[in-house]
Amino acid sequence: KAGVTQTPRYLIKTRGQQVTLSCSPISGHRSVSWYQQTPGQGLQFLFEYFSETQRNKGNFPGRFSGRQFSNSRSEMNVSTLELGDSALYLCASSLEGGRDTEAFFGQGTRLTVV
Amino acid sequence: AQRVTQPEKLLSVFKGAPVELKCNYSYSGSPELFWYVQYSRQRLQLLLRHISRESIKGFTADLNKGETSFHLKKPFAQEEDSAMYYCALRAPGGGNKLTFGTGTQLKVEL
Repeated sequence: KAGVTQTPRYLIKTRGQQVTLSCSPISGHRSVSWYQQTPGQGLQFLFEYFSETQRNKGNFPGRFSGRQFSNSRSEMNVSTLELGDSALYLCASSLEGGRDTEAFFGQGTRLTVV
Repeated sequence: AQRVTQPEKLLSVFKGAPVELKCNYSYSGSPELFWYVQYSRQRLQLLLRHISRESIKGFTADLNKGETSFHLKKPFAQEEDSAMYYCALRAPGGGNKLTFGTGTQLKVEL
């Protein structure tokens, strides 16, 4: 079956702009999580959506937001971009989230803010 | 608060030598622990989880609740094991939120 798909793969934006990233989960998966990966901080959890509701939220400013659609596809939005937002953004999809649930990751969207 | 610590950023071993990637965690409860691996130019993928107690690609990891550790071990390193390894924790009832360590780059030299 198809894996987790993230679009676009690469983005270059200017400071102050906003950006929207997209994630299509594996068919049947209703949970989508987002992570920011940087060389200095590693992988940091942004938020998780399950059945169109935000279920978990990490410690990121309100400029980072997301949503999930009825087909489980998810989008992440970052407003008023800062240089420090440059990172690889990973999306992971999972089944409901019970014990021993595996997270399947996409290849990521590389965001560069100039 | 939950935290995962991987003390080594880089671990270099020779082919055929034993490997141990360290992972310590802090969590007041019984978390689920995982090891994820990222090979060059590939996506992050699950290597193993403490619940299943299985061996994948010769790797094993035992959860030591007394020492709050979940070290990854392999008796004989292979060149194809060179990759970035991440230890991760999930809290029961916490949905699918994973807390990752900063990762250890394993380099297996010939």
